[in-house]
Amino acid sequence: DVKVTQSSRYLVKRTGEKVFLECVQDMDHENMFWYRQDPGLGLRLIYFSYDVKMKEKGDIPEGYSVSREKKERFSLILESASTNQTSMYLCASSFQGERYGYTFGSGTRLTVV
Amino acid sequence: RKEVEQDPGPFNVPEGATVAFNCTYSNSASQSFFWYRQDCRKEPKLLMSVYSSGNEDGRFTAQLNRASQYISLLIRDSKLSDSATYLCVVNIIKKTSYDKVIFGPGTSLSVIP
Repeated sequence: DVKVTQSSRYLVKRTGEKVFLECVQDMDHENMFWYRQDPGLGLRLIYFSYDVKMKEKGDIPEGYSVSREKKERFSLILESASTNQTSMYLCASSFQGERYGYTFGSGTRLTVV
Repeated sequence: RKEVEQDPGPFNVPEGATVAFNCTYSNSASQSFFWYRQDCRKEPKLLMSVYSSGNEDGRFTAQLNRASQYISLLIRDSKLSDSATYLCVVNIIKKTSYDKVIFGPGTSLSVIP
């Protein structure tokens, strides 16, 4: 069964901390994505990557950065966590050039206090 | 106007009922369409792709009307396990840039015994 695995299901961090969210997929997908999901706002794209070592900004990249050193791993970094970054973070992956939709990880619920 | 719009619901229907969800999109360059299902506190999961000719998967039927920029999902003989939020997803294929995938806000369905 194909999988996208996110390192933590729940996370509590303090304001100002540097936070790393890890995502690993075992499907050899080229594309990987980070979203956040908030009530009333739906899914919003933070960053995405279509290849190793490449990254592109999504709709709300401010306050975040990403790293993709290996094809299977895509990391989201909160440089200095703030309370408005409290959210559900979802990683997704897909094949390139095909229209088969995304496979999502189970999400990380991050609370910044 | 939002790029992808859905009636947020909630739709409360009795078991065995037929329920239809609608979705409209604003960008005529949209090329691929999907329905996702998201259970409470879980990640979105691909339910089905939507093809121009319409397609069916068991009790679920998806239809696309490109002229009206409208997508629908019909669920027949509703089960308790169909209770979830249904997300309409549109993929805009850009020839000179990366594809853009837009998630609708979702429609909430509760199937009542």
